[in-house]
Amino acid sequence: AQSVSQHNHHVILSEAASLELGCNYSYGGTVNLFWYVQYPGQHLQLLLKYFSGDPLVKGIKGFEAEFIKSKFSFNLRKPSVQWSDTAEYFCAVYNLNFGNEKLTFGTGTRLTIIP
Amino acid sequence: DGGITQSPKYLFRKEGQNVTLSCEQNLNHDAMYWYRQDPGQGLRLIYYSQIVNDFQKGDIAEGYSVSREKKESFPLTVTSAQKNPTAFYLCASSMGRRETQYFGPGTRLLVL
Repeated sequence: AQSVSQHNHHVILSEAASLELGCNYSYGGTVNLFWYVQYPGQHLQLLLKYFSGDPLVKGIKGFEAEFIKSKFSFNLRKPSVQWSDTAEYFCAVYNLNFGNEKLTFGTGTRLTIIP
Repeated sequence: DGGITQSPKYLFRKEGQNVTLSCEQNLNHDAMYWYRQDPGQGLRLIYYSQIVNDFQKGDIAEGYSVSREKKESFPLTVTSAQKNPTAFYLCASSMGRRETQYFGPGTRLLVL
């Protein structure tokens, strides 16, 4: 079965620290990859996505992610976090070869930024 | 103002009662989805629909039902057969399968 792993369940950082959240998926083939963010009390919203092309993708609010096909990974990064980045972050993967019409989500990483 | 609306924001269900959650979109998207979000479990797919009058079960469809009579609307009914309905329910839509999904604000269902 398809699976997406986010090994960091809760990350606590101070403002200005660098961030990297891990995301790994369990199958090969062609994939569409997403990071979503859920700020407290707000909609789940798209942070960035990768469909094809440059494996380093940039999203909103200074976030970026790198697709490494050989490692089945799509880690999220930000060089300097702000208090407003406190939120829950979800990685999601759509496998185009799997024949299963669903987007598989990881369990999420809760990020707390300390001022 | 384009987007996805869900109502109500909070819903209370009595034991043995069916309740219906509303989801409407004005994005002209073909595909719509229902997810359930529980703490520490991420989002799990309940049902999805790629076109009007057609829908498929997701991973956790038992105890739920849906309809897709209009492109804009995809209501979810939580039936009395769903023994653990307390959760946050999210509706999403996309232009087509494989495309970016956009989410509504969610409905929190609580059992009395």
